[in-house]
Amino acid sequence: DSGVTQTPKHLITATGQRVTLRCSPRSGDLSVYWYQQSLDQGLQFLIQYYNGEERAKGNILERFSAQQFPDLHSELNLSSLELGDSALYFCASSPSPASGSWEQFFGPGTRLTVL
Amino acid sequence: DAKTTQPTSMDCAEGRAANLPCNHSTISGNEYVYWYRQIHSQGPQYIIHGLKNNETNEMASLIITEDRKSSTLILPHATLRDTAVYYCIVRVVGGAGNMLTFGGGTRLMVKP
Repeated sequence: DSGVTQTPKHLITATGQRVTLRCSPRSGDLSVYWYQQSLDQGLQFLIQYYNGEERAKGNILERFSAQQFPDLHSELNLSSLELGDSALYFCASSPSPASGSWEQFFGPGTRLTVL
Repeated sequence: DAKTTQPTSMDCAEGRAANLPCNHSTISGNEYVYWYRQIHSQGPQYIIHGLKNNETNEMASLIITEDRKSSTLILPHATLRDTAVYYCIVRVVGGAGNMLTFGGGTRLMVKP
């Protein structure tokens, strides 16, 4: 158990719909990362938040957005869903840079199926 | 981040050492070598990392060549639970973003 929690575990929805994935980082971790893993693209970085602010952006579609709240949990919003958005979505957290530790700890993921 | 090259798949007998190679010939002086693994659709798990010295922890050992152009992850006594995809990642740490860039990894199959 990494200490990172993600809900829901599974999500089945239809094309055109909007969903929200939730992530709670490990206690004390300030950074949250979102990754997408699909069969054809592998594990890809989407976006990072640090202490409530966006820090880095990867291959995140404009239909996707994220935020990190004052209690440090994060949500990934996916809208106008397409069949190709079906994937595993992982959240990871890492400690404050002051700790000198740069490992990322991954949650169990949310499996999104778009029908 | 520097690109890495890993074999697509490897087999290992249970109880034997598993040696997973990684080439990173374009690695820069400030880039670390990180290893993660992913057991069947679970979240990736951190294993070990190093800059230029060999490293060992309770999970594995990391051997980095002197020129830092390649490295080997060693699982000393592989078990069936070590069957997973192993990712070698080269990255700079401490900058504005510290995302992980995953390649295809090596699918390690530990066999009885």
